[in-house]
Amino acid sequence: QITLKESGPALVKATQTLTLTCTFSGFSLRTHGEGVGWIRQPPGQALEWVALIYWDDDKRYSPSLRSRLTITKDTSKKQVVLTMTNMDPVDTGTYYCTRYGYFFDSGRYYHDFWGQGTLVTVSS
Amino acid sequence: QSALTQPPSASGSPGQSVTISCTGTSSDVGAYNYVSWYQQHPGKAPKVMIYEVTKRPSGVPDRFSGSKSGNTASLTVSGLQAEDEADYYCSSYAGTNNLGVFGTGTKVTVL
Repeated sequence: QITLKESGPALVKATQTLTLTCTFSGFSLRTHGEGVGWIRQPPGQALEWVALIYWDDDKRYSPSLRSRLTITKDTSKKQVVLTMTNMDPVDTGTYYCTRYGYFFDSGRYYHDFWGQGTLVTVSS
Repeated sequence: QSALTQPPSASGSPGQSVTISCTGTSSDVGAYNYVSWYQQHPGKAPKVMIYEVTKRPSGVPDRFSGSKSGNTASLTVSGLQAEDEADYYCSSYAGTNNLGVFGTGTKVTVL
């Protein structure tokens, strides 16, 4: 059974750095094609890609957020960590981590499992 | 990349069908058969309903179907049920060096 769960602060102040952790189970993130992504959703708005890390440590970042983001993985702990610097109130929203990638037996390039999400509020 | 364009809302009576469009470009929707659709109920995480344009994950009712023509993908929900009332988002792969892109979202109302 595949699960993912996000954890991190519910409230951060503007200009501070946000660190979110995605703890996953049911897969290893060591298998060819596996990736973990971060998606965010401001209140009442659409989903937005933030970052992605693949099993081979290949990384992708949102072009508009690239300068502020770092994504890393620790497969021994089954965790993926997202760091976002210089937080702003517009970064307020729910942050989801997902399993994403290309899988031998279940398709390619979609988010097949999602965490419950964690709401991050940025105060000014 | 710019977000894929979806109509803000769609509606239908129980038992009817509703179709949601998702318009991208020749660099995303038009270039790859990797369009997926997600259903999101209020306060819940999204759930995949369609992947690779037409495929349904195990457990998704066959009332949900997907298609694509050129730069536009579509999701059709047939035999609408009350529990289908939700927000729906499309998403497309956009190439090896990119993250991909989500749609603007469509709120489906069951009248």
